[in-house]
Amino acid sequence: EVQLVESGGGLVKPGGSLRLSCAASGFTFSSYSMNWVRQAPGKGLEWVSSISSSSSYIYYADSVKGRFTISRDNAKNSLYLQMNSLRAEDTAVYYCARDPGATFGWYFDLWGRGTLVTVSS
Amino acid sequence: QSALTQPASVSGSPGQSITISCTGTSSDVGGYNYVSWYQQHPGKAPKLMIYEVSNRPSGVSNRFSGSKSGNTASLTISGLQAEDEADYYCSSYTSSSTNVVFGGGTKLTVL
Repeated sequence: EVQLVESGGGLVKPGGSLRLSCAASGFTFSSYSMNWVRQAPGKGLEWVSSISSSSSYIYYADSVKGRFTISRDNAKNSLYLQMNSLRAEDTAVYYCARDPGATFGWYFDLWGRGTLVTVSS
Repeated sequence: QSALTQPASVSGSPGQSITISCTGTSSDVGGYNYVSWYQQHPGKAPKLMIYEVSNRPSGVSNRFSGSKSGNTASLTISGLQAEDEADYYCSSYTSSSTNVVFGGGTKLTVL
């Protein structure tokens, strides 16, 4: 089955760190760009970061630049998001999403179910 | 405030057609054919409905169509069905430092 499964979310204090993972299965992970998109409770979607299939190109939203790091391990069919210096406004469901381009098509054709990150003291 | 502007809500009766607009600028919607639309039911992950302005992924009903004129993109749903009731988000590539922008979302109610 073609799917993405996120993990690693939870409750963390402001200033803390968390590492999210996304396990891909059912497709050739190394052929696709990958992304993180988040959704704060009751709010809309916000793009967070993108990484090309070979990790040659990486982009971040201004709101997370310098604090978050996206990476991938094609041998393990996995995508990661290292989140540091977390703030209350980072509280959201974080979705892993596939972009059908090896570099970027700038749309997301497969989504995981998401993992909730809560930043609170 | 979202980078792309969508109406907060739209409604229609079963069988009718509705259109959701998505207004941006020449740096995003107007400048590129990288507009996509997503459907999201409560508590679920978003689902791709339209990509590259007007292309429909395999498996998406042909009742869903997309178009663009200038800086405004549109999603039209014809023959409304109860299952279409959901939130809809537009998205576009942007030449600004944030590569992808979303609209604020539109809640579709099927009366």
